[in-house]
Amino acid sequence: DQQVKQNSPSLSVQEGRISILNCDYTNSMFDYFLWYKKYPAEGPTFLISISSIKDKNEDGRFTVFLNKSAKHLSLHIVPSQPGDSAVYFCAATGSRGNNRLAFGKGNQVVVIP
Amino acid sequence: SAVISQKPSRDICQRGTSLTIQCQVDSQVTMMFWYRQQPGQSLTLIATANQGSEATYESGFVIDKFPISRPNLTFSTLTVSNMSPEDSSIYLCSVVTGGYPDTQYFGPGTRLTVL
Repeated sequence: DQQVKQNSPSLSVQEGRISILNCDYTNSMFDYFLWYKKYPAEGPTFLISISSIKDKNEDGRFTVFLNKSAKHLSLHIVPSQPGDSAVYFCAATGSRGNNRLAFGKGNQVVVIP
Repeated sequence: SAVISQKPSRDICQRGTSLTIQCQVDSQVTMMFWYRQQPGQSLTLIATANQGSEATYESGFVIDKFPISRPNLTFSTLTVSNMSPEDSSIYLCSVVTGGYPDTQYFGPGTRLTVL
């Protein structure tokens, strides 16, 4: 049972434009959400997180939006750069889960120079 | 953040054998986890490595197949026992340095191929 879902497995975007990645979750006990970037042959690298007490968190070019009522979050990357080409994973956890993460299947992002 | 290393980085093993993967952190951490990423799939949590006690396994994973040790706050091992080709995956350890909620940091992974 996939508790964290990422549709649209791949995304191509022109350099300088916005990349938008979406993530839906089903477990209402999730209250902390993270985005990771993963290059081939490397471990996931933490990008940005958001707590359920917020609806937006921004860090440089990366912004995460959370809509709790819709159980939906999104990651915006502006402007997109060729180095952003990677697989992006959405992950979630709840206090009862004690930091154990449930991951989505990932989105492949290709930024075209 | 924490600096995490894993050994080996990759291995090719024969069916029926076992492989032990090591995870070393450069500082003491509160929690350590082991994940698996099968080809084309997402990351799946195998277990939480508990310091000085038995690991806590997720549904579908058992100690006989994936024994885990965590003798101190900076080191853990995962053994993949009696391997089959279905065990071909990337195995990743991760750590949390604080309480809840906290950012989880991942090691570089061990790419295992079972023939």
